[in-house]
Amino acid sequence: EPEVTQTPSHQVTQMGQEVILRCVPISNHLYFYWYRQILGQKVEFLVSFYNNEISEKSEIFDDQFSVERPDGSNFTLKIRSTKLEDSAMYFCASSDRMKGNQPQHFGDGTRLSIL
Amino acid sequence: SQKIEQNSEALNIQEGKTATLTCNYTNYSPAYLQWYRQDPGRGPVFLLLIRENEKEKRKERLKVTFDTTLKQSLFHITASQPADSATYLCALPSSSGNTPLVFGKGTRLSVIA
Repeated sequence: EPEVTQTPSHQVTQMGQEVILRCVPISNHLYFYWYRQILGQKVEFLVSFYNNEISEKSEIFDDQFSVERPDGSNFTLKIRSTKLEDSAMYFCASSDRMKGNQPQHFGDGTRLSIL
Repeated sequence: SQKIEQNSEALNIQEGKTATLTCNYTNYSPAYLQWYRQDPGRGPVFLLLIRENEKEKRKERLKVTFDTTLKQSLFHITASQPADSATYLCALPSSSGNTPLVFGKGTRLSVIA
């Protein structure tokens, strides 16, 4: 069964540094998402992306964050200047339709630790 | 803003029994509701979706109900097994109508042999 893959599985970064998290969504999917989960808390939406542009973003997704689909397969999340509170699991997800009640397929996440 | 509550953080049951998990929501009338399973250190895995015009949905040992009057969904696992031990997440579409999901905090189910 096709799956969403994320790299790296664990990223340790010094505060203030830039970090790029990478995702390869399921190949025929057109809608992409980033979520995060702080340890012990719920999964929170960050941003959705379709047709090479952001379609929706949450309050968490401020100017420090950006997303990109640099080629036909990768989908990246960049945090420009990391803060301690950015430490979390970051999940990428994809679906084949935005509306129409479609399930989202999640990767196994990148654990981001900011020191 | 919309609020989702899952009734308990943790639920322990004996193997073979039926587990029932509850999801309540307020300030919203979603067109559908989804349930996901999350194992430690893994991403959520989609289990079931139920639409507002459906009262009940089944998949193997799983059953979901959706009561739009009570603003509640119940998630049942019958004949539970230790392998069913995981955190189960309720998710609704955001109030914008698009599919960014809003998740509950989850219920951690432990099935004891």
